[in-house]
Amino acid sequence: GAGVSQSPRYKVAKRGQDVALRCDPISGHVSLFWYQQALGQGPEFLTYFQNEAQLDKSGLPSDRFFAERPEGSVSTLKIQRTQQEDSAVYLCASSGDGNTEAFFGQGTRLTVV
Amino acid sequence: GNSVTQMEGPVTLSEEAFLTINCTYTATGYPSLFWYVQYPGEGLQLLLKATKADDKGSNKGFEATYRKETTSFHLEKGSVQVSDSAVYFCALSAYNQGGKLIFGQGTELSVKP
Repeated sequence: GAGVSQSPRYKVAKRGQDVALRCDPISGHVSLFWYQQALGQGPEFLTYFQNEAQLDKSGLPSDRFFAERPEGSVSTLKIQRTQQEDSAVYLCASSGDGNTEAFFGQGTRLTVV
Repeated sequence: GNSVTQMEGPVTLSEEAFLTINCTYTATGYPSLFWYVQYPGEGLQLLLKATKADDKGSNKGFEATYRKETTSFHLEKGSVQVSDSAVYFCALSAYNQGGKLIFGQGTELSVKP
């Protein structure tokens, strides 16, 4: 596609529910990043893939957060047993490699009630 | 660790006023520096970047100079327009971190006609 696509755009989850957020990067982009943006704050790094390899997951806040990119293209961020503090916008970005411009999707706004 | 600090908003200006948004950083080595912009209802977009000391990034009338001696990357525009109303994020990418971005908290700019 022309840009990074994320789905769903909005997700409301009941506390304790599992959610899966999808990211379709720009075709051919090697690097893929996930960020979490709380209301009124800057994005915070969660994890990074180069092709299918998850090279850095130092930003994942707990073991309830899990990301995968099994074929080196589409990525899924999964949050198990959601908590209210997980409410945020989750941003995905891709780049040709780590040294070129990162293009961001519009994000998924997750609200945990 | 690496971090970015930018001036708090909101910043409210009249059209054609001069804009400065301050950004300072802490990083080991020589990071690349970025300004991203988020227009209402849209995703993050790269506005400009600089990859080494004394480089000046520029785009759409905005400029920022990489100042190693003051660890700063202040954003300036000589004459703002209503269409510049957005949230601006300063960010850095440290060397050998795969392109992972560390963002400031964002500065909201509102330009009145």
